Amino acid sequence: AQRVTQPEKLLSVFKGAPVELKCNYSYSGSPELFWYVQYSRQRLQLLLRHISRESIKGFTADLNKGETSFHLKKPFAQEEDSAMYYCAPRDNYGQNFVFGPGTRLSVLP
Amino acid sequence: GAVVSQHPSRVICKSGTSVKIECRSLDFQATTMFWYRQFPKQSLMLMATSNEGSKATYEQGVEKDKFLINHASLTLSTLTVTSAHPEDSSFYICSAGPGGKDTQYFGPGTRLTVL
Repeated sequence: AQRVTQPEKLLSVFKGAPVELKCNYSYSGSPELFWYVQYSRQRLQLLLRHISRESIKGFTADLNKGETSFHLKKPFAQEEDSAMYYCAPRDNYGQNFVFGPGTRLSVLP
Repeated sequence: GAVVSQHPSRVICKSGTSVKIECRSLDFQATTMFWYRQFPKQSLMLMATSNEGSKATYEQGVEKDKFLINHASLTLSTLTVTSAHPEDSSFYICSAGPGGKDTQYFGPGTRLTVL
């Protein structure tokens, strides 16, 4: 069965500290992995996808197939990074996602 | 980037009434749109896949007679919650993408409150 876990419901860090939001998945085949972010009172939006191997807003995520993980990292957190972050795999056959439970990141001044 | 809109953004209705929620892709055509629901402090759960010109595909446990989906055109999908009850109160979100495996864009959501 497809399953996504994000072990931390809430993660609080101080501004300038490194941050890592964990994501582990159990998925058949070779899914695409995405991170979506939802800022306060805004719609869900794409942060990054593993196939792009890019850095968005200072965030990066490496797909580790051996550990079936796709952790999101940023070396120096900013207050504006405070938001809800969802890890979302997508299979290669369709377009729909399975969303993880989400982690609320709170960056303290 | 592409834009997906939803209307209304918020609706309050009495128990037993039906409510229609629209999802529109504003600057691209979408043969497929997705409907999610999100309970407070919970993640998004896929309800159904809306297919233009054909029947929607519902996820397990979602009543197709309760949540009617019509994908009338390449830019519009509607979700009708029939005979709504308080337990249907939730945040309903749609998503759409230009096609294939392209990025999905999410609507702003519709908050439904059933009294």
